[in-house]
Amino acid sequence: QQQVKQSPQSLIVQKGGISIINCAYENTAFDYFPWYQQFPGKGPALLIAIRPDVSEKKEGRFTISFNKSAKQFSLHIMDSQPGDSATYFCAASKGNFNKFYFGSGTKLNVKP
Amino acid sequence: EAQVTQNPRYLITVTGKKLTVTCSQNMNHEYMSWYRQDPGLGLRQIYYSMNVEVTDKGDVPEGYKVSRKEKRNFPLILESPSPNQTSLYFCASSHNYGYTFGSGTRLTVV
Repeated sequence: QQQVKQSPQSLIVQKGGISIINCAYENTAFDYFPWYQQFPGKGPALLIAIRPDVSEKKEGRFTISFNKSAKQFSLHIMDSQPGDSATYFCAASKGNFNKFYFGSGTKLNVKP
Repeated sequence: EAQVTQNPRYLITVTGKKLTVTCSQNMNHEYMSWYRQDPGLGLRQIYYSMNVEVTDKGDVPEGYKVSRKEKRNFPLILESPSPNQTSLYFCASSHNYGYTFGSGTRLTVV
């Protein structure tokens, strides 16, 4: 049973558009929610993360929106660029940062 | 440069032939972990280590072994590989708030 469910599996966005990737979780003990970005042939790299005491976190063109009551969080990429084309993973952890549960990944393709 | 180094990057082996994938980090991190990545399943944790000589099972430990004799190294051992262990493997280390991943090892077991 997957602890974190991610959608969509793939996403095509035009350059300049907004990319939105959604994740949902069940375990209310989760208290840290990172997003990872993975380019082909590379390992995932931490992109942005949020804790449940805030509803939104923004870093440049990347924003996490967090809805604690719905147990959902999402990644928004504003003004999407072809260089953003990658696979994105959401994740969640509880208490210690050694154990992360990952979503199934979203392959984003930004068309020029 | 802070990094996690895995070797080899690519490996093709036959069923039953023992193999080891090495992992080394230069960040003095206490926590290290192994994940496998499969299409549609995301990243699943195989084993993790909280410090030297302290290891524990993740979500998919069957068929794998690990050891942590030194802080910087965390090798993954497949004693008798099987085709269902064909996957992309990542080693990672962490020091609060997230992982630094290696570049991956693509393993094919025929």
